[in-house]
Amino acid sequence: DGGITQSPKYLFRKEGQNVTLSCEQNLNHDAMYWYRQDPGQGLRLIYYSQIVNDFQKGDIAEGYSVSREKKESFPLTVTSAQKNPTAFYLCASRDGPTTEAFFGQGTRLTVV
Amino acid sequence: GQNIDQPTEMTATEGAIVQINCTYQTSGFNGLFWYQQHAGEAPTFLSYNVLDGLEEKGRFSSFLSRSKGYSYLLLKELQMKDSASYLCAVRDPNTGNQFYFGTGTSLTVIP
Repeated sequence: DGGITQSPKYLFRKEGQNVTLSCEQNLNHDAMYWYRQDPGQGLRLIYYSQIVNDFQKGDIAEGYSVSREKKESFPLTVTSAQKNPTAFYLCASRDGPTTEAFFGQGTRLTVV
Repeated sequence: GQNIDQPTEMTATEGAIVQINCTYQTSGFNGLFWYQQHAGEAPTFLSYNVLDGLEEKGRFSSFLSRSKGYSYLLLKELQMKDSASYLCAVRDPNTGNQFYFGTGTSLTVIP
């Protein structure tokens, strides 16, 4: 079955550590996105990529980094520079410019 | 900047009809999307409008007025399982077809 897979579902990190969230899709979609969701704030865009080896910052990119070496994969690294990393992270992908975005199941990151 | 507004919370009775409004101000417009999200889960796509008017999909309908920057999602014959957050999103071609999301409307369906 085609879809977007995020792993892990729950992640705990100690302060000062970098952590990488995985996002893989087998939908053959060109565009991929990372969003952060906090209570009462909706989804905010962290990074997006429209093609392989290219990505752009979203509204809240500080403290995060991404790579897009393969069409299927768009991992997100939450660095120690991110001041408040505890949140629900959602990865999405989209086919053409007129289609909806499909979301993964999300990763809940907690800094302890 | 981009601005998408929705009510924060709504409550409705099982079997009734509820309308969730969304107003938007974006630099460009290439479609308005409605998603449903249950707590702790991924948003799932409900409907899409790019032209003015009403789109109907079973118990769900969505309306768009581009001149007013306004949309609504209409849910009919409410069921308990419809209790969820409903997200309005606008795609902006001027910023690489990014999706801009509202804060979501938390709908509670009561017996």
